[in-house]
Amino acid sequence: NAGVMQNPRHLVRRRGQEARLRCSPMKGHSHVYWYRQLPEEGLKFMVYLQKENIIDESGMPKERFSAEFPKEGPSILRIQQVVRGDSAAYFCASSPSGQLETQYFGPGTRLLVL
Amino acid sequence: SQQGEEDPQALSIQEGENATMNCSYKTSINNLQWYRQNSGRGLVHLILIRSNEREKHSGRLRVTLDTSKKSSSLLITASRAADTASYFCATDSGNTGKLIFGQGTTLQVKP
Repeated sequence: NAGVMQNPRHLVRRRGQEARLRCSPMKGHSHVYWYRQLPEEGLKFMVYLQKENIIDESGMPKERFSAEFPKEGPSILRIQQVVRGDSAAYFCASSPSGQLETQYFGPGTRLLVL
Repeated sequence: SQQGEEDPQALSIQEGENATMNCSYKTSINNLQWYRQNSGRGLVHLILIRSNEREKHSGRLRVTLDTSKKSSSLLITASRAADTASYFCATDSGNTGKLIFGQGTTLQVKP
């Protein structure tokens, strides 16, 4: 049973470009969480999605960031018009049923904005 | 706002010694999870302890939870150089399952 998959593992963008980060949850998991980790810090919650629904986006910046988890395919975290402050590691986690369950993390995507 | 705070921020021990890390949190929780992160890598789940549990074991790991003090501890016994990593506690306190992470404890185990 493959774990949580994220791609790309590393992404370099220039200021003003768009970044698309992909996450495929573990087989049988329909709940996806995105977290951001700045250097030397812990992870910060961004958004929680189930298939075709955003359940909690309280950690998402109001502008430039969006997330989706379509019926088919991976979850996508999209950052438009990236700025240097967006440089961070972005982790996706999945769980079978959300609340009260263990979350399994992917290897992360390390975004560098030049 | 930060929910969990780990203590100490950094810990350096010799191989074979025990390592204890503490986590404090502010609000009531559903469960508390401990994760390990090796430098530049993803998070590995270690243990989940529910709010009605007081202690759990997994191999060389022992986790305690004191809800009256809003604190948890992670004990690694007979440490190995491979245990060198950052350790994070994360609390689930809402109704969506989102985790609130502490800043982490960086553990160095010297061979």
